[in-house]
Amino acid sequence: QKEVEQNSGPLSVPEGAIASLNCTYSDRGSQSFFWYRQYSGKSPELIMFIYSNGDKEDGRFTAQLNKASQYVSLLIRDSQPSDSATYLCAVNKGGAGSYQLTFGKGTKLSVIP
Amino acid sequence: EAQVTQNPRYLITVTGKKLTVTCSQNMNHEYMSWYRQDPGLGLRQIYYSMNVEVTDKGDVPEGYKVSRKEKRNFPLILESPSPNQTSLYFCASSSIFTSEYEQYFGPGTRLTVT
Repeated sequence: QKEVEQNSGPLSVPEGAIASLNCTYSDRGSQSFFWYRQYSGKSPELIMFIYSNGDKEDGRFTAQLNKASQYVSLLIRDSQPSDSATYLCAVNKGGAGSYQLTFGKGTKLSVIP
Repeated sequence: EAQVTQNPRYLITVTGKKLTVTCSQNMNHEYMSWYRQDPGLGLRQIYYSMNVEVTDKGDVPEGYKVSRKEKRNFPLILESPSPNQTSLYFCASSSIFTSEYEQYFGPGTRLTVT
């Protein structure tokens, strides 16, 4: 089983819809989880992190964590064409404040105007 | 302005010729990391450093060396590059506040080893 799995997509959603991006991980001891956005030809950008079960909201983004199911998701509300990018899920193998990250291969999101 | 710089941005070299990719940050972050990104394999951590003189291996350290003599700099050294090290390399700088994560990536270095 791969350590961090994401559906590679592409995931296409119409403008204004909710985009739902999913990630599963294998290390049950993982403590913190990250979502990055990477535009084509650009560097990854950290957009959300979460370490407690439940939801965490930041603007149009909501990260959801279910440690029992080893599942992390990212919801993007009111999707805009500018959200079209590859979204990377990462799992932190280290303790609090560390960045010992294992990444999924990313999900490509396309928001259709 | 928060900034992570990498040099060079593009490099074509030959097998076995030692090279160094520099990384510098202006945010006084303790934590710095190197990653490589390859099609089909995603982003993988090479080395990380929690502070000056403290470094540790990531998931794919073979063939790489790092040093952290100053807080702001974290160079990646390929002592004998091979074609399988052809990749896109990113340096990242991060804070270590335990309740808030902040991380910035450099612009990337595209390395080709022939």
